[in-house]
Amino acid sequence: DTAVSQTPKYLVTQMGNDKSIKCEQNLGHDTMYWYKQDSKKFLKIMFSYNNKELIINETVPNRFSPKSPDKAHLNLHINSLELGDSAVYFCASSQEPLGGETQYFGPGTRLLVL
Amino acid sequence: AQSVSQHNHHVILSEAASLELGCNYSYGGTVNLFWYVQYPGQHLQLLLKYFSGDPLVKGIKGFEAEFIKSKFSFNLRKPSVQWSDTAEYFCAVNGGGKLIFGQGTELSVKP
Repeated sequence: DTAVSQTPKYLVTQMGNDKSIKCEQNLGHDTMYWYKQDSKKFLKIMFSYNNKELIINETVPNRFSPKSPDKAHLNLHINSLELGDSAVYFCASSQEPLGGETQYFGPGTRLLVL
Repeated sequence: AQSVSQHNHHVILSEAASLELGCNYSYGGTVNLFWYVQYPGQHLQLLLKYFSGDPLVKGIKGFEAEFIKSKFSFNLRKPSVQWSDTAEYFCAVNGGGKLIFGQGTELSVKP
């Protein structure tokens, strides 16, 4: 059973389009995250939700809007896609948001904006 | 500001060589330190972590790391690498509830 799953795995789209990426975890964790990995493999946190509440928002453009319908899901909607949005987006989860909790990562969604 | 620095961007080794990947962090409070590995085309997996106690931490697949507080370092080591260790390695610090990653070190092991 996959602990953290993401769909789709690959996403190719045109500039200006709106797209969504879905994430689900079956670990019973309270906290979920979105990370962006750029072409140089640099990983940076974008958002974190704890019990459906936004707790971290790392100066991400307003075009990115996360939504957490329940603790097990954290979706990422991106409006007006730009070339610079091309990256791999990783979802992750942990039991608690603070301290040294291990984060478990999903397989990633490779987004290519043309 | 919190930051993590990995000294080597790309390391190339032959099988059976010893490995040490450097990681230094900058954070004022109590830190929890991690090494994650990303095999080609796969997601990040936890190799090992340090929370407290013994500064020498053993992880999966024969990896270990040593936390040296005075040097703000958490270097990753393996005595003898295998071709299957070819991957990207990320050091990370958890401060304030979020993981701050280093820029990653690509390890290529030649058979």
